[in-house]
Parts: sequence; structure tokens; C-alpha cells
Amino acid sequence: DAGITQSPRYKITETGRQVTLMCHQTWSHSYMFWYRQDLGHGLRLIYYSAAADITDKGEVPDGYVVSRSKTENFPLTLESATRSQTSVYFCASSPEGPSGELFFGEGSRLTVL
Amino acid sequence: QKEVEQNSGPLSVPEGAIASLNCTYSDRGSQSFFWYRQYSGKSPELIMFIYSNGDKEDGRFTAQLNKASQYVSLLIRDSQPSDSATYLCAVKAGGFKTIFGAGTRLFVKA
Repeated sequence: DAGITQSPRYKITETGRQVTLMCHQTWSHSYMFWYRQDLGHGLRLIYYSAAADITDKGEVPDGYVVSRSKTENFPLTLESATRSQTSVYFCASSPEGPSGELFFGEGSRLTVL
Repeated sequence: QKEVEQNSGPLSVPEGAIASLNCTYSDRGSQSFFWYRQYSGKSPELIMFIYSNGDKEDGRFTAQLNKASQYVSLLIRDSQPSDSATYLCAVKAGGFKTIFGAGTRLFVKA
């Protein structure tokens, strides 16, 4: 089924552990994004990517790493999770153009104990 | 100063009334402007986008853009209880980076 999927949907981990959130899209959109959503902050951009092997920092990149070896995949890694990284993470993709709408995955709820 | 500012609300309106949601942005180079709706526990979904000054209408929704004042608004006519959600204003600056405001919670009372 076409779309954008995230996994896992729910994850509980401990402080200091490495966690990878996966994102896969089937539309061949050039652009992909990772946002985190916390109460009172809306969606904050972590990293974004224009194409395979092209990534850039967003508003809150510290503590996160991304890669994009293939157009359809854009994993987000927390190298050493902290409690402040407890959040809901949304992956999104977008076609090119000024009206490029963001298509969101269902989100990954991460809890860091 | 945040790049995109919204009143967090909640904004409460009676059924059938007009709901007015506002957003300001700081980057004068911003090119495209979006309104997303997000129901509790769900992903954001696009309602409208606008990139020219003036009004754009789509059914019960009207987006208004004033680039000189760096102001975007969304009007919802004949508000329904099903419109109760958080409305996110988003701005695309140069390139493709899209920045969101914190969102305004809207309650439509039956």
C-alpha cells in the first residue's frame, strides 16, 4: 500500500541507549523530514533531506543523527537517548515545488526512562 | 523569537459560527504558507496552502495572506463540532524547509 510508514509506532527505552526510528515512503518524493512534537511546542524540525545523501539540520538537531542512502528511507537515530528526547516523532515527505504539501507518517511515540 | 507564531488558544466558538485562526512569521523570504489540521493522537493533514497575497477559498475554509504584514489567517465558516482540532500554521522559506507554529486548539461547541 502506497504511503509513508514509520516503525516502531511505540518504543520504550532507557537513558543512554541507542534508538533508531525508521521511515519509508513509496511515492519517490525527493524531500523528507523528521519532526518532534511536544506539548506547547508544536512540530519542531529535527533534520531534513533533499535527496539521497543530502541532509541538513533543522531547528533541534542536537542528539540526533540521520542518513539517507536510498530515496525511500530516512532513518533517525538517537545515539544516546536522554529523557528530554521523550516525544512523538513524525516523519514526512514532500514533492518538489512551492506548493509541496507534507505527507506525514502515523508517528512514533518514544519514551525514554 | 520563534519563526512562526500562533496563539495557542484554546479558541472556543459555537456551532455555525466563524472561527478565525491567526499566524505571523518572521522570515520575509518565506514563499509558501500552509494550514494543517491535527486531531488528537493523529498526524497532521493539509487543509490549504497559499502563496499569493489575498484570499483563497476552498469550501468552508478561507486562507488569507498579507506578506507586507507577515500575517496568515484561516477562516472556518459554519464551524462544526468535527472541526474541533489543533490547527498548525506552517511556512516554507527559501528552499524546502518547512517550519511550523505551535498550533491553535479549536473547540466547536454543539
